Amino acid sequence: DAGITQSPRHKVTETGTPVTLRCHQTENHRYMYWYRQDPGHGLRLIHYSYGVKDTDKGEVSDGYSVSRSKTEDFLLTLESATSSQTSVYFCAISESPDASTDTQYFGPGTRLTVL
Amino acid sequence: AQSVTQLDSQVPVFEEAPVELRCNYSSSVSVYLFWYVQYPNQGLQLLLKYLSGSTLVKGINGFEAEFNKSQTSFHLRKPSVHISDTAEYFCAVSDRYAGGTSYGKLTFGQGTILTVHP
Repeated sequence: DAGITQSPRHKVTETGTPVTLRCHQTENHRYMYWYRQDPGHGLRLIHYSYGVKDTDKGEVSDGYSVSRSKTEDFLLTLESATSSQTSVYFCAISESPDASTDTQYFGPGTRLTVL
Repeated sequence: AQSVTQLDSQVPVFEEAPVELRCNYSSSVSVYLFWYVQYPNQGLQLLLKYLSGSTLVKGINGFEAEFNKSQTSFHLRKPSVHISDTAEYFCAVSDRYAGGTSYGKLTFGQGTILTVHP
């Protein structure tokens, strides 16, 4: 298994509070991604990173920010959590964006509940 | 823009029966196609991928998928399922790698829950 950990694995928080989720990898892969999984929607890309301090928005980035100060860590922050952000969040990593040679590996997920 | 539609949200099947999970996609450019599996309370694991060449792709755990360009489909099949195949299956698509600003972003379908009954 690819060395990806996510923390926390479960979190319950209240509307309006900031929340930070962490993705940590030991593979030294350049590309990292944050997805959210919701019933009926599959997984949707929130933000991604193509190197240290290099990030960009995905399909559903509103209300989220990210930071990557070192290769192994990719942080996802919900600036002011809302109930619509209740979801399961997955981090993924890839050595390169070329699927003909590399695969995206997924972490175990973080289940976030916003009350 | 790309989109992926998985035509069945749930597929119940008996053990040792064949199964087909259907996936259609839409894209204005050439794509790579993937099937991922998610076992309960776990992350996603790659089953197989289509890059080019032969339209029949074989993956892990006895699964295979067939790419049909004219029908823009990538259906997943297994001739005989086991209880352990019970999981959620996701079809996904990404742009073909073209260097430069290609970032390998995946677009997923809504998922199909396969339940194998004894």
